[in-house]
Parts: sequence; structure tokens; C-alpha cells
Amino acid sequence: DTAVSQTPKYLVTQMGNDKSIKCEQNLGHDTMYWYKQDSKKFLKIMFSYNNKELIINETVPNRFSPKSPDKAHLNLHINSLELGDSAVYFCASSQTQGNYGYTFGSGTRLTVV
Amino acid sequence: AQSVTQLGSHVSVSEGALVLLRCNYSSSVPPYLFWYVQYPNQGLQLLLKYTTGATLVKGINGFEAEFKKSETSFHLTKPSAHMSDAAEYFCAVSAGTASKLTFGTGTRLQVTL
Repeated sequence: DTAVSQTPKYLVTQMGNDKSIKCEQNLGHDTMYWYKQDSKKFLKIMFSYNNKELIINETVPNRFSPKSPDKAHLNLHINSLELGDSAVYFCASSQTQGNYGYTFGSGTRLTVV
Repeated sequence: AQSVTQLGSHVSVSEGALVLLRCNYSSSVPPYLFWYVQYPNQGLQLLLKYTTGATLVKGINGFEAEFKKSETSFHLTKPSAHMSDAAEYFCAVSAGTASKLTFGTGTRLQVTL
């Protein structure tokens, strides 16, 4: 069983569309994250949820909205997609607020055309 | 605030040679330090971590790192490189109750015959 699973793995869409990426973890962790990796491989945190509560919200456009229906799921919805949103988005999870390492999903490669 | 600097965006070694990937950190509180590896088109895998205790930590695939507080460093080493070690390596720091994991810009390791 995959510990942190993301769907879809690849997503190609046109500018202006709305899309969602789903993430699920079966590790029993209480904290989940979304990271964005740009074309230069730089990883930047976007959001973090602890037990369904938003605890980290970096400077991210309002077009990005995370939703955590329960502590095992963290979804990312993106409105009005722009070319600059093209990147790889990683979901991750951890226990005890992350000071013992994160477990990452395999990523969703989003391409906006 | 916390930050990580990885010296050298690209390191090339011969198979069998010593691998040394450099990482320096900045943190206002005692840090937790991590090394992750990313193989092409895959997610990030935890190699090793330092939280407290012994400053020399051993990880998977023969890698190890030493936490040196006086030098604010956490360099990653491996005595003998294998072709399969070719990947992107990320150093990361976590500190404080927010426990946001902040990544360095990554070092691409190339292993040649």
C-alpha cells in the first residue's frame, strides 16, 4: 500500500480552467502539507493542516484553496489556472508536527497550456 | 526564521569515489536537520535525520551526515559512490513549533564511470 498517494500523477489543462489534486495518507499522521517544486527543483511549502486545521498558509494566490475533510486527506483546488502554475505539486504527511521527517507522495506534474 | 544553503548545485564524482554534499543551516532555535533524495520523476525519500543525541547519523544506502553546531553544518557523505546514487539531494531544516520544513535548493549528484 502506498503511504502517501496523490492523484492524478499528470495533469495537462488549459489556462483559465479549474482543477483539483487529491492526496491521501494511510500512515495515521496528523499533519499534511502541500509543496510546490518549480522547474529549477526548488521546493516551497504552500499549506499545512494539522488535524483538519490550517496551520501554515504561505504567500499563495487566493486561486489556490486547500481542503482537508479529515486528517487522512488533503486536497488542493486551483481556480483560473495560469501558465506560471505549471510545476510539480507534492503532498506530504508527518506526525507530531513534522520534527521527525515528512513522507512525500510521488507528485503531480501540472502543465498549463 | 530558518534557512538552508547547499553549496554546489551540481557535484560530479567517479564511481567508487567519496561523495560529499555540503549543507549549512541557519536557525534561531535548535534545529532538526534532514537529507532527502529525489530520483528522476519521483517523490522525495528520507535519507537520514538529526533530531537530538548522537551528532553522527547513519541513513539508508550507506549515507551518513554529521551535525556540527559550531560550523552550522550538516554535510552528507558516502565513502564509495555507486551509479545508482545519481539523483537530486535536498538538505532541509525544521525548527520551532510551526515545524515548517524548509529546503535548500538541491544538489544534483552525477556519478561517472
